[in-house]
Amino acid sequence: EVQLVESGGGLVQPGRSLRLSCAASGFTFDEYAMHWVRRGPGKSLEWVSSISWNSGRTGYADSVKGRFTISRDNAKNSLFLQMNSLRVEDTALYYCAKDLGFSSSFPDHWGQGTLVTVSS
Amino acid sequence: AIQMTQSPSSLSASVGDSVIITCRASQAIRNDLGWYQEKPGKAPKLLIYAASTFQSGVPSRFSGSGFGTDFTLSISSLQPEDFATYYCLQNYSFPQTFGQGTKVEIK
Repeated sequence: EVQLVESGGGLVQPGRSLRLSCAASGFTFDEYAMHWVRRGPGKSLEWVSSISWNSGRTGYADSVKGRFTISRDNAKNSLFLQMNSLRVEDTALYYCAKDLGFSSSFPDHWGQGTLVTVSS
Repeated sequence: AIQMTQSPSSLSASVGDSVIITCRASQAIRNDLGWYQEKPGKAPKLLIYAASTFQSGVPSRFSGSGFGTDFTLSISSLQPEDFATYYCLQNYSFPQTFGQGTKVEIK
């Protein structure tokens, strides 16, 4: 069974940094692309970033480009999201999600999310 | 970024009704579109990808169609468990983008 467990969320002040982690199990991690998707309070889903199976291809939402960095450690079945220069509007529940395939297409399994609150 | 516009933003329907949700892309995206179902307190669930391909385990009352800029998600004979919010997602190009969602409520 695919399991994705996010961690690293919390309360942080604007301008500070936070690193999210996602521990994956139940599938061959290094064969699949991975995504981060978020849902802000009262907002719809927002795709944040994705990374291909071998880290060769990454993509970012315009709202986070230049501030967030996605990475993965295939040896440790782990996905990361380094979030710098955080803004109030980054407040959201952040989901880690597995892709259907090796390159970025559609998330098909999701974790339960980790909450990030950016506030002074 | 490609803008995805869903309509309607919400609808009310009864059990047994058929509903259609549309998603329009701001530029052609071939068939690089998926549909998700989200229920309160739960992670989103992939229903359909490549515009019309069923994800494993999805009931046959769900169907998707479209190519280019216009896409539809159809639900025939709504069941109580289908009342949820539905989103489209394009993966034609980065950044991938979701529609704003369509909430299907019980009439």
